[in-house]
Amino acid sequence: NAGVTQTPKFQVLKTGQSMTLQCAQDMNHNSMYWYRQDPGMGLRLIYYSASEGTTDKGEVPNGYNVSRLNKREFSLRLESAAPSQTSVYFCASTGPGQGNSPLHFGNGTRLTVT
Amino acid sequence: DQQVKQNSPSLSVQEGRISILNCDYTNSMFDYFLWYKKYPAEGPTFLISISSIKDKNEDGRFTVFLNKSAKHLSLHIVPSQPGDSAVYFCAASAQNQGGKLIFGQGTELSVKP
Repeated sequence: NAGVTQTPKFQVLKTGQSMTLQCAQDMNHNSMYWYRQDPGMGLRLIYYSASEGTTDKGEVPNGYNVSRLNKREFSLRLESAAPSQTSVYFCASTGPGQGNSPLHFGNGTRLTVT
Repeated sequence: DQQVKQNSPSLSVQEGRISILNCDYTNSMFDYFLWYKKYPAEGPTFLISISSIKDKNEDGRFTVFLNKSAKHLSLHIVPSQPGDSAVYFCAASAQNQGGKLIFGQGTELSVKP
């Protein structure tokens, strides 16, 4: 049972480069989320998708775009990477009830922008 | 504006003793609270939760207490074990605000043998 799978695990980008972080879940969850974790800041919500076909901004959406490709997959795109986007990115999903259903997280993508 | 705050970045406890992790929040609309545990190089995993209609929830060695008037919750681990060493995040959500989870900064717990 894979749960939430994120690829890649590690990535180094130069400023201005673009990349897409991939996330897939096999739990038939409706809602999916992207968070970033920075030292002293906890986990901050970038974007979320309450259901297939919908996406909404979270706390820190600037510099990112998302695509809910289907019920299983939710990707995060950096169009022009900046050093401030160096972080660990976590994808998560949850079933019906959203806030009353615990999030299931992937193991993260560690991104460094030089 | 940090709506959920964990003011202690770290906590060190002796094995067998009680660990108490604290969390404060500012948004009175929060109605559901959770604790997550995170080991290095892994994603956070759900530990325990509490609804705003309760003031205590217990699951084995883990108990969460909620004080709504003080906008404060705490996680008690008794007895603490070395395997409990991890970063603990508290999180909160409000159903009428989309149910999105807002996390605190985390507290790193170290349980020494």
